[in-house]
Amino acid sequence: GDSVTQMEGPVTLSEEAFLTINCTYTATGYPSLFWYVQYPGEGLQLLLKATKADDKGSNKGFEATYRKETTSFHLEKGSVQVSDSAVYFCALSDLRSGRLTGGGNKLTFGTGTQLKVEL
Amino acid sequence: GAVVSQHPSRVICKSGTSVKIECRSLDFQATTMFWYRQFPKQSLMLMATSNEGSKATYEQGVEKDKFLINHASLTLSTLTVTSAHPEDSSFYICSAKTPYAEAFFGQGTRLTVV
Repeated sequence: GDSVTQMEGPVTLSEEAFLTINCTYTATGYPSLFWYVQYPGEGLQLLLKATKADDKGSNKGFEATYRKETTSFHLEKGSVQVSDSAVYFCALSDLRSGRLTGGGNKLTFGTGTQLKVEL
Repeated sequence: GAVVSQHPSRVICKSGTSVKIECRSLDFQATTMFWYRQFPKQSLMLMATSNEGSKATYEQGVEKDKFLINHASLTLSTLTVTSAHPEDSSFYICSAKTPYAEAFFGQGTRLTVV
């Protein structure tokens, strides 16, 4: 079945440091890939997404490129801020092998990576 | 973005009792709602998918008689953990979506069964 593997945390960085959170996936079909972020006390929010190979998703300075050859979707940011401290989840949704239930798409998540950014 | 409100955020209950968790879409009509649970250091695992007005579809290994899901309206879905036991202690998260749009997530509910 589909699965997502992401690096374990917590990841602790100093402000303005470069961030990489690794994410790899296995899927039988043609997945769309997502990064979600969860700030303390809040729900998961979609950070960025990519729907096909070589697509780059970007938002708020974060980027991730859909690499089919390495089945990866690593999250990067050139200069992190304290306000980026949160838990980041990599996820995939596979329209072909997943379940479509009345318009719903099943999301498969990684374990989440906690990021702590310090001054 | 759209707002999904989940309530309560934390609940502690005694073993053998039932707990109800609500998931509301505040500014849109959710045709589909999803319920996930997350154990420490593990992925969010989909428990069930519910469509308004119909029975929920449960993932393999999830007991439908233990985790009762009701999606009675386009803005409300409830998850009831019946006869809760300590092993049901977990973080439960709902999400809601309309067809062909992204899913929006609630804040999650931390359930502790003592």
